[in-house]
Amino acid sequence: SQQGEEDPQALSIQEGENATMNCSYKTSINNLQWYRQNSGRGLVHLILIRSNEREKHSGRLRVTLDTSKKSSSLLITASRAADTASYFCAHQSGAGSYQLTFGKGTKLSVIP
Amino acid sequence: NAGVMQNPRHLVRRRGQEARLRCSPMKGHSHVYWYRQLPEEGLKFMVYLQKENIIDESGMPKERFSAEFPKEGPSILRIQQVVRGDSAAYFCASSPPVAGTGELFFGEGSRLTVL
Repeated sequence: SQQGEEDPQALSIQEGENATMNCSYKTSINNLQWYRQNSGRGLVHLILIRSNEREKHSGRLRVTLDTSKKSSSLLITASRAADTASYFCAHQSGAGSYQLTFGKGTKLSVIP
Repeated sequence: NAGVMQNPRHLVRRRGQEARLRCSPMKGHSHVYWYRQLPEEGLKFMVYLQKENIIDESGMPKERFSAEFPKEGPSILRIQQVVRGDSAAYFCASSPPVAGTGELFFGEGSRLTVL
């Protein structure tokens, strides 16, 4: 899992299926964010959910946050081959802090 | 509207040499962060800078590593006397000067290989 931890570490699905990735963390947070990284590239911000929010949607992405369990999930619906990438959750803690703590990520493979 | 620009994208150094990595934040951003990523790992925070100030360097090794963000020009991450264990991808990110979404904007990274 990430520092936050994520599971699974790797996920392989068929195009059109849904992909669910989970993330757990240990401290109290201000917000939790999900990023995508294509192989050999930088990170791209996908979605941010604040500590007082429980669910958020953006296009085919759905993120949930359970602060009592210190966990979050990212659901990608109707996956496409282009969704193949590593997905990282990262959280921000502390007032005014921009520092993000990342986990090791989930490597998603979407098979055409 | 250029994003975060990092150079070089790839850098090869021999043990004992110096590595300098540069980062130009997005236009209008005055906060810069450096992260290191080892193969198959997540990103580890190194240092957070604002113009001419190091705000938080708690993730940076005490020796051989330094960072600056001068009034003019890019932010520089400097690694002196590199060792094989310094081989990694180094990512720079930036954010705007006022509290916003909390999102960080990342560059494409500089991949350092130490021979």
